[in-house]
Amino acid sequence: DIVMTQTPLSLSVTPGQPASISCKSSENLLYSDGKTYLSWHLQKPGQSPQLLVYEVSNRFSGVPDRFRGSGSGTDFTLKISRVEAEDVGVYYCMQSLHLPPTFGQGTKVEIK
Amino acid sequence: EVQLVESGGGLVTPGGSLRLSCAASGFNFADTWMSWVRQTPGKGFEWVARIKSKAYGGTTEYPAPVRGRFTISRDDSKNTLSLQMNSLKTEDTAVYYCTIGIGREQSLDHWGQGTLVAVSS
Repeated sequence: DIVMTQTPLSLSVTPGQPASISCKSSENLLYSDGKTYLSWHLQKPGQSPQLLVYEVSNRFSGVPDRFRGSGSGTDFTLKISRVEAEDVGVYYCMQSLHLPPTFGQGTKVEIK
Repeated sequence: EVQLVESGGGLVTPGGSLRLSCAASGFNFADTWMSWVRQTPGKGFEWVARIKSKAYGGTTEYPAPVRGRFTISRDDSKNTLSLQMNSLKTEDTAVYYCTIGIGREQSLDHWGQGTLVAVSS
């Protein structure tokens, strides 16, 4: 199985400041169709997860443009340009290149 | 609006069975590949089953830990996804989420609210 490793595991951010989460995969997530199958999901407190970004850098419908995904191969980053109170929760990266799909362990983002 | 509403969770003893259901609405269910993903405090998220649409043969897939014990199925006439779980183990204790898609062919873009399954004596 592909192993997904996130850092840091927790982050405390002042509102309005940027935040960055790293995700590394044990295998290259680029497929022969030219797409890279890495997505980011946010689980807000008490809620089910929601998709933020798919295929590395495509924001899902309704996701604010302060969220930006980047990376390639095995190294990926999710950046929040200016953190807002509503962004608190646990962020997960997920690879869907091969079954079984696998998830990172999560990065908890809190507001200072 | 896409809605996925799970039901059927509860407390069951080891070796027992449980059937989860997911009522889907707001999208073309029959043409959509569906999955179940579970979450535990210790292991995080774990994919447990996927079913393709009838157009792709309705093929089902499972990871090793649940293969032979869990069965995913769909009723396109009722827009309902099911997960039959047999021979339950304590390590199957988790919140189970119904999801739209997972994998290269159809991305996981919506999650249900989840239903808790507790396996304990």
